[in-house]
Amino acid sequence: QKEVEQNSGPLSVPEGAIASLNCTYSDRGSQSFFWYRQYSGKSPELIMFIYSNGDKEDGRFTAQLNKASQYVSLLIRDSQPSDSATYLCAALGSSNTGKLIFGQGTTLQVKP
Amino acid sequence: EPEVTQTPSHQVTQMGQEVILRCVPISNHLYFYWYRQILGQKVEFLVSFYNNEISEKSEIFDDQFSVERPDGSNFTLKIRSTKLEDSAMYFCASSKRRDRVSGELFFGEGSRLTVL
Repeated sequence: QKEVEQNSGPLSVPEGAIASLNCTYSDRGSQSFFWYRQYSGKSPELIMFIYSNGDKEDGRFTAQLNKASQYVSLLIRDSQPSDSATYLCAALGSSNTGKLIFGQGTTLQVKP
Repeated sequence: EPEVTQTPSHQVTQMGQEVILRCVPISNHLYFYWYRQILGQKVEFLVSFYNNEISEKSEIFDDQFSVERPDGSNFTLKIRSTKLEDSAMYFCASSKRRDRVSGELFFGEGSRLTVL
């Protein structure tokens, strides 16, 4: 069973701090990884994706990928209360059908 | 900004009834998907669709489920005889490509299905 694992949290950080969200995956054939933000009762909203080892930065967000360790992370700098949401990590399946395999999500709480 | 639209936003139905959920994907996208999320659980893949046929389906997508692209814009999910455990939020998604470089999915706002 191909899985994506995340700590469900909640992860609580003070406003202005760096939030670090982590994810591991089991399918070595997965080539791309996606971070989505989901507010309660809403649909997933794409934050960014990564497919090369190393770091990828987009504004306050940095995604990190380590294929050897099968580990993906998302750093959120200068966290704001509006960042409070559930963050979903997803792996693009190796079946080449575009299927995404989601983790259960990590709930982030940013306290003012 | 182009978006995926879904109707209805909420549907309540009796067990055993047929339900059709509708989606209009982003116009220049070629790959279409249905996912579902039971309350408090993870987002689960149901089916992917390309070139008028199913590319992949999950174990959840049994004979009670079907998908169709009846015209150039709509993409539908039909549940023939709903069960209590079908109660969930159903998300339609589309993508321009499905490779590692640009395979990101864009989701609709979801259709909440409640089976009584």
